Amino acid sequence: KQEVTQIPAALSVPEGENLVLNCSFTDSAIYNLQWFRQDPGKGLTSLLLIQSSQREQTSGRLNASLDKSSGRSTLYIAASQPGDSATYLCAVVTGGGNKLTFGTGTQLKVEL
Amino acid sequence: EAEVAQSPRYKITEKSQAVAFWCDPISGHATLYWYRQILGQGPELLVQFQDESVVDDSQLPKDRFSAERLKGVDSTLKIQPAELGDSAMYLCASSRQGSYNEQFFGPGTRLTVL
Repeated sequence: KQEVTQIPAALSVPEGENLVLNCSFTDSAIYNLQWFRQDPGKGLTSLLLIQSSQREQTSGRLNASLDKSSGRSTLYIAASQPGDSATYLCAVVTGGGNKLTFGTGTQLKVEL
Repeated sequence: EAEVAQSPRYKITEKSQAVAFWCDPISGHATLYWYRQILGQGPELLVQFQDESVVDDSQLPKDRFSAERLKGVDSTLKIQPAELGDSAMYLCASSRQGSYNEQFFGPGTRLTVL
């Protein structure tokens, strides 16, 4: 059974700092990995999707990498801003059907 | 920009009552998902539709939960009777037909069972 872990569970950084969020998964036979952002009480916003054949994806200040063989992904946020404060979730698709298995998220707070 | 629509956004009900949630996926998305997210946890899939057919409902508590997507477009998730442990965020998502496509989520329905 696929299990996804995100470390740390919570992170507080000063504005302007570069930061890395970690995601690990136990079954390396994934089809893709998706990073999401969730604001308190809201739905999920898709940030980046990495297919299993890809090593990384970039969108603006965000860069996600994937090392399938070691079961790890990182989300790099450059020059963090208070508006980046949210919970960041990673999720993987393993097996058929496109079902996402989620981690429990990293709660990020960017302070002025 | 196309979005997944859900209603209601919030629902408060008493134990043993019936509740229903509605979802309208992004136009043209053949696959629709219902996830449940308990506070502090990641979402878990309840049911997945491909057009009007159920693809995966292995985690749906079928004694009290039901889901339908009659015309292969919008969908309804029902709980009857609601229990205290059903308090959670119910999220709907959709994706294009085909394997391993990006999923887009709606704003969710926050259910509180008293």
